[in-house]
Amino acid sequence: GQNIDQPTEMTATEGAIVQINCTYQTSGFNGLFWYQQHAGEAPTFLSYNVLDGLEEKGRFSSFLSRSKGYSYLLLKELQMKDSASYLCAPEGFQKLVFGTGTRLLVSP
Amino acid sequence: EAQVTQNPRYLITVTGKKLTVTCSQNMNHEYMSWYRQDPGLGLRQIYYSMNVEVTDKGDVPEGYKVSRKEKRNFPLILESPSPNQTSLYFCASSPGRLNTGELFFGEGSRLTVL
Repeated sequence: GQNIDQPTEMTATEGAIVQINCTYQTSGFNGLFWYQQHAGEAPTFLSYNVLDGLEEKGRFSSFLSRSKGYSYLLLKELQMKDSASYLCAPEGFQKLVFGTGTRLLVSP
Repeated sequence: EAQVTQNPRYLITVTGKKLTVTCSQNMNHEYMSWYRQDPGLGLRQIYYSMNVEVTDKGDVPEGYKVSRKEKRNFPLILESPSPNQTSLYFCASSPGRLNTGELFFGEGSRLTVL
């Protein structure tokens, strides 16, 4: 079975750094995706980690530890438009399972 | 433009009235999937398809049917909708075969069953 755990909600201020953690237990693990979803809109791809370590992409970075079943998404220089839900999604065989998401509120 | 197109975007219907939500992608993707999204439950997979004529159940398939007669289309059929199927539905596709790969989502279809 699958079990994905991420905080329900986080708040931060503009310009700050925030780290969203995700722990998972899943069978047949291949890699882990992070998606961003603004309210009422479709999820959009942010990052994909297949090997242990940090992947950096502009203001966003994602880290994976396969042995610990742990990942985090790091958002730097927060902007108001980063207010959204962030979905952790471990990839299994023929299957992508989504966590319930972390709602991030960025205030001025 | 590469995209996944769902229709209708919004629908209010009544219990028991059969409906189909269409999904079409123009990226020649092998993999297609349907998800429903409900508050507090996140995105849950209904059905997926690895290729034409190949479909499989996801985590919440009850009350739904799908077909994959052509590579580009993956309709979701609710034979006899019930109020517990009121939800936001997303179709998604990816080029993946053995692995899912990056999913490209449609804009979503908000369904209300009265």
